Amino acid sequence: QQPVQSPQAVILREGEDAVINCSSSKALYSVHWYRQKHGEAPVFLMILLKGGEQKGHDKISASFNEKKQQSSLYLTASQLSYSGTYFCGTENARGNQFYFGTGTSLTVIP
Amino acid sequence: DTAVSQTPKYLVTQMGNDKSIKCEQNLGHDTMYWYKQDSKKFLKIMFSYNNKELIINETVPNRFSPKSPDKAHLNLHINSLELGDSAVYFCASSPLRTDEAFFGQGTRLTVV
Repeated sequence: QQPVQSPQAVILREGEDAVINCSSSKALYSVHWYRQKHGEAPVFLMILLKGGEQKGHDKISASFNEKKQQSSLYLTASQLSYSGTYFCGTENARGNQFYFGTGTSLTVIP
Repeated sequence: DTAVSQTPKYLVTQMGNDKSIKCEQNLGHDTMYWYKQDSKKFLKIMFSYNNKELIINETVPNRFSPKSPDKAHLNLHINSLELGDSAVYFCASSPLRTDEAFFGQGTRLTVV
C-alpha cells in the first residue's frame, strides 16, 4: 500500500530539471508532496486533489493522473536549496488511509 | 512565535515505561496529526484528529493513544515502550485535511 517513488536518488547540477514520480496501487483522492532536509521536519510543497484542484507553492509544479494513480513532481531550474528528500503522500477518499512514499533523495551540486 | 511546538525535543527512556509527548499549535487549525519516522527515514501517519473525528492508522499498536484536551493540543501517550518505538515523532496541524500541513520540530524518542 505504500506508494513507490522513482527515482530513489538523483544528483543534479544547479539549473537542471528533475521529475520525481509517485505511483500507488490504490485509488486516490489526493496526493501530497513534502521535502525534508536532514535533521529537520518535512515541509509541505503541494497537494493535488481528485478533480484537478491544486494547492501549493508557485515555484513547484506537479501533476496527478487519477486513472493511473500516479503523480509527478516537477523541479525546474534547480537551486542548491532544493536538496533534500522528497516524499509523496497518498490519501483515499474517506481519509482513513494515508501512506507516504518510499522517498527520493535529491542532491543539487554547484 | 512557533506555530507547532512539541516537547520534549529529545526523550530517552527504558523499555516498559510510559511516556507522553506534547504538541501545541497556535494557528487555529482544526486538524492535527502524529507521524512516526523510523531510522530508515520511512514516514508513517499514526493519527489524524479534529474536534469531531479521530482517524487511526490500523497498523498503530493500541499502546499509542492520542489525547486532545482542546483544539490546540494533541498529545501522544505511549504505554509499555518497546525498543522498536525508537523513532522521531512529528506533530503537525492543518486547517483542513486537504490543506497545507505545518510540522513541529520533532521529538527523538530513544528506548533503551
